[in-house]
Amino acid sequence: AQSVTQLGSHVSVSEGALVLLRCNYSSSVPPYLFWYVQYPNQGLQLLLKYTTGATLVKGINGFEAEFKKSETSFHLTKPSAHMSDAAEYFCAVSSYHGSSNTGKLIFGQGTTLQVKP
Amino acid sequence: KAGVTQTPRYLIKTRGQQVTLSCSPISGHRSVSWYQQTPGQGLQFLFEYFSETQRNKGNFPGRFSGRQFSNSRSEMNVSTLELGDSALYLCASSLVGQGVYNEQFFGPGTRLTVL
Repeated sequence: AQSVTQLGSHVSVSEGALVLLRCNYSSSVPPYLFWYVQYPNQGLQLLLKYTTGATLVKGINGFEAEFKKSETSFHLTKPSAHMSDAAEYFCAVSSYHGSSNTGKLIFGQGTTLQVKP
Repeated sequence: KAGVTQTPRYLIKTRGQQVTLSCSPISGHRSVSWYQQTPGQGLQFLFEYFSETQRNKGNFPGRFSGRQFSNSRSEMNVSTLELGDSALYLCASSLVGQGVYNEQFFGPGTRLTVL
């Protein structure tokens, strides 16, 4: 079975400060990992994904994440927070493994990012 | 290219009623997945449809069902509504290709309130 744990349901940073959102996963097969962002009253938008290859992945809006197999982690970072980054962030793992099946996404509980001026 | 659309955006029902939600995927996307989002349980997978067939199912009671039409549009139905069914229901669509992972694109959701 797969699972995702996001450490910290709320994270508060000052504008311009480093953003670090933590995600740990559990998977019996090589995982496909994702970070999504959700703004109020909207659906989910994909920030970035790790499937295979380079373990440091870059996404939209200046975010990046590093897949660390030994630590079973996929933490999301951004060097300098912007007010527009305030939203809820979800880490997810997929059971997809090379078949035509897209695979269901297993989500963490989410982390609300607050950016203070 | 238009994104995933969901109708209606907001819905209020009473306990015991049934409800049908609709999802139109991105043009060319043949896989449609449904998720339920609640403050207590978070985001949970309901089911996935491809080529009018359910090929993946989450851990929800039989009151939750869905279907997919030949044009890939999908509907989900919840019968005998309970207060706990109040949630944001999200639909996601994706391309399907052998050996290639295709990401899911989410719609804005339908906010269901059960009174």
